Amino acid sequence: GENVEQHPSTLSVQEGDSAVIKCTYSDSASNYFPWYKQELGKRPQLIIDIRSNVGEKKDQRIAVTLNKTAKHFSLHITETQPEDSAVYFCAASFSGSARQLTFGSGTQLTVLP
Amino acid sequence: ETGVTQTPRHLVMGMTNKKSLKCEQHLGHNAMYWYKQSAKKPLELMFVYSLEERVENNSVPSRFSPECPNSSHLFLHLHTLQPEDSALYLCASSPGLVNIQYFGAGTRLSVL
Repeated sequence: GENVEQHPSTLSVQEGDSAVIKCTYSDSASNYFPWYKQELGKRPQLIIDIRSNVGEKKDQRIAVTLNKTAKHFSLHITETQPEDSAVYFCAASFSGSARQLTFGSGTQLTVLP
Repeated sequence: ETGVTQTPRHLVMGMTNKKSLKCEQHLGHNAMYWYKQSAKKPLELMFVYSLEERVENNSVPSRFSPECPNSSHLFLHLHTLQPEDSALYLCASSPGLVNIQYFGAGTRLSVL
């Protein structure tokens, strides 16, 4: 089945700096890659997603890049703010009998004021 | 709120109890999911329902039994659980099997 690896597991940055989280996936047929943000005690919420027909997508301070050849995708957060502190999960769609999401293990991002 | 409601929010049960988790979505979606979230581990997919039919069962122990009576409701029936089953159980729904998934707030389960 699909395997998604996420790095780093923890990341601390100063407010205003950029943060980058990387994920690799194993199933070359995967075609949908969302990123979820989960604040402490709250539900995971989608912040951005990308499909395999594009290489980059941006939404204000957040961007995602996809390299299909290398089978990796990354989340970029610029001008980080304390409210960006959360756990971020990447995921990839799994081409089994039903297309499901396989999640990475998460990155705890801490933005220091 | 995302339109996906889970009850109860917290549950403490003994190993011999039987309880049920409930999930309800008001988004008109046709796929629903149960996930288990344990500390420092990836979200683990347990069950997938599409149009009220179970599509995938990822080798979940039989002490977890799902039920999907209609496209808006999903249950997870629990019996004779183990302490290692303590976790946050998240429900999600999506308009299709590949599309964006919207999560509920979860049920924090503790098995004593």
